[in-house]
Amino acid sequence: DIQMTQSPSSLSASVGDTVTITCRASQTMSSYLHWYQQRPGKAPKLLIYAAVNLHTGVPGRFSGSVSGTDFTLTIRNLQTEDFGNYYCQQRYRLPYSFGQGTKLEIK
Amino acid sequence: EVLLVESGGTLVKPGGSLRLSCAASGFTFSSYSMNWVRQAPGKGLDWVSSISSSSAYIYYADSVKGRFTVSRDNANNSLYLEMSNLRVEDTGIYYCARINFETASPSDYWGQGTLVTVSS
Repeated sequence: DIQMTQSPSSLSASVGDTVTITCRASQTMSSYLHWYQQRPGKAPKLLIYAAVNLHTGVPGRFSGSVSGTDFTLTIRNLQTEDFGNYYCQQRYRLPYSFGQGTKLEIK
Repeated sequence: EVLLVESGGTLVKPGGSLRLSCAASGFTFSSYSMNWVRQAPGKGLDWVSSISSSSAYIYYADSVKGRFTVSRDNANNSLYLEMSNLRVEDTGIYYCARINFETASPSDYWGQGTLVTVSS
């Protein structure tokens, strides 16, 4: 199984800040890595697909990058609506595992 | 507009059975693979099962294999999850989500979820 190690598990930031969240895969997996945002009490939403591509309607302050088995989500100029939980998921190999999640809170 | 609406979640006793449904609209349902993802209270996301557009390919997480059965009715734009021999650890919100195979298979649209509570 591919293990996805997501870090940090939580972070606190202010409006206007830039934050990065990382998922490290336990093995090489091409770019079948996706990022989701989940606001409290809501369903997850796709943010970034195939590591670097913005889903329709997602603001340009979100971006994704990859280096080897390390995948990074960067959020620039944080807005109040960006606070919530973020998850990565690999869809390279069964089972399609998620990272443990990152809780992004307002400082 | 893509819309996915889950239903069927309720309180059920350990060992019991339940059938979840997901009604799809706003896209050609028969052209897309679908999946179920769950979330235990206060926990992260957990992939449960995937089914291809024609039902030819079906996959399950080890934790539900042999107990859950995914199916679909393309004529009625519906996805199902039959759950049996339910355990307390199956408690959570169950989401259906569309898979977009054109772009490395992300779950690009999700329903609002339906709550399953397994408790005596």
